[in-house]
Formats: sequence, C-alpha cells, structure tokens
Amino acid sequence: GNSVTQMEGPVTLSEEAFLTINCTYTATGYPSLFWYVQYPGEGLQLLLKATKADDKGSNKGFEATYRKETTSFHLEKGSVQVSDSAVYFCALSDPGNGGFKTIFGAGTRLFVKA
Amino acid sequence: EADIYQTPRYLVIGTGKKITLECSQTMGHDKMYWYQQDPGMELHLIHYSYGVNSTEKGDLSSESTVSRIRTEHFPLTLESARPSHTSQYLCASSEGRRNTEAFFGQGTRLTVV
Repeated sequence: GNSVTQMEGPVTLSEEAFLTINCTYTATGYPSLFWYVQYPGEGLQLLLKATKADDKGSNKGFEATYRKETTSFHLEKGSVQVSDSAVYFCALSDPGNGGFKTIFGAGTRLFVKA
Repeated sequence: EADIYQTPRYLVIGTGKKITLECSQTMGHDKMYWYQQDPGMELHLIHYSYGVNSTEKGDLSSESTVSRIRTEHFPLTLESARPSHTSQYLCASSEGRRNTEAFFGQGTRLTVV
C-alpha cells in the first residue's frame, strides 16, 4: 500500500540555520503531497502542499518540491527561527473506497536554539 | 482558521469508566477521522467515516467505537477505560478529494489512572 517515510528526529539547529527534512513516498497513481506542522499542545495544521509532479509548495518561508522521479517531497527553509520549533509531518492523499484519506509519516521533531 | 472542535482538551479518569470524546466540525465535510498519537508523535488512524451512518476501522486496532449520526458530529466512545488507553486523540475532517487537506482539532489528552 501507499506509505510515507521521513527522516528521524529530533533535528536540532541554531537560529538562522538551513533546514532540510527528508521525505520519500511509495504510491500507486499520482497522490497529492502535504507537509503539516504541529506546535506544542496543538493539533496539526497544513503547512504547504503540491498536487502534481514538479509543483512547488511554499508557505512561511518553507518550500517543498514534488519530485516524481525520486518519489520525494523534502521540506526546506533557508533560515529557521526559534518559533519554527515543532513536529513536522509529511503526508500523501491515499485513494480508498468512498474517497481519499491522508497517510502520514512518523513525524520529525525540530528544535531551534537561540 | 479550522472550524473543528474537540472537547474536552484534557481528561483524567479512573479505570473502568465510560468516556466519550466529542468532535464537531462546521465545514460540512463528509470525511472525518480519529487518530491516536503516541508519545513519539506518530499518528495512528483508528477510525474514519465517509459520511452519515458510515464508520470504518483504521489501521491501528482500537477498543473504542465511533458513530456518525450527523454530518458535523463524530464522537469516540470507550466503554471501559484502561491505563493503556492513555494517549492524545486527534480528530480531523476533510472534503476527501485528492488535492484537499485535512483539518485537525486541538486534540484531547486522555489519562486513565
């Protein structure tokens, strides 16, 4: 079945460092791909998404490009801030009987130090 | 801002009690989901619904049950709580199309003592 694999955390960076969180997927067909973020004590919220190959999703300085040839959707940010400390989930839309549901990766915790 | 609400946010309850975790959304979404989130932060789908009177078991076996009598409401019930049920429970909804995202509530942190 479809699945998502993302790099294990925690990832610890200093403020203004460059961030990459790797995500690869296995899917039949052409899923949409998503990154969600979970701040402490909160539910998940959508960070960005891409719906077809070569699409780039971006939001709040984060970017990810849908790479069909490498089945990847790596999350990047050029300069992280302390407020970016959170857990990041890569996800894809999985077709099923009755409609699509979301398949999540295991999550990567990011700590940003001042 | 997502219009999906979970109550209570925190619940501490004794072993053997029956509990219901509430989840409501005002977006008219047909698809709703319950996830259990372990301390390592991984999400496990335990129940989902594609519409009124539709409920399905998720990937992780759970002793909880759900119902979907109204589009906006998707409560989760534990008939007899046990310490092993201690976890964070997240409710979500979506339009359920290929390119649409899920919207999450803030979660219920359940502790069974």
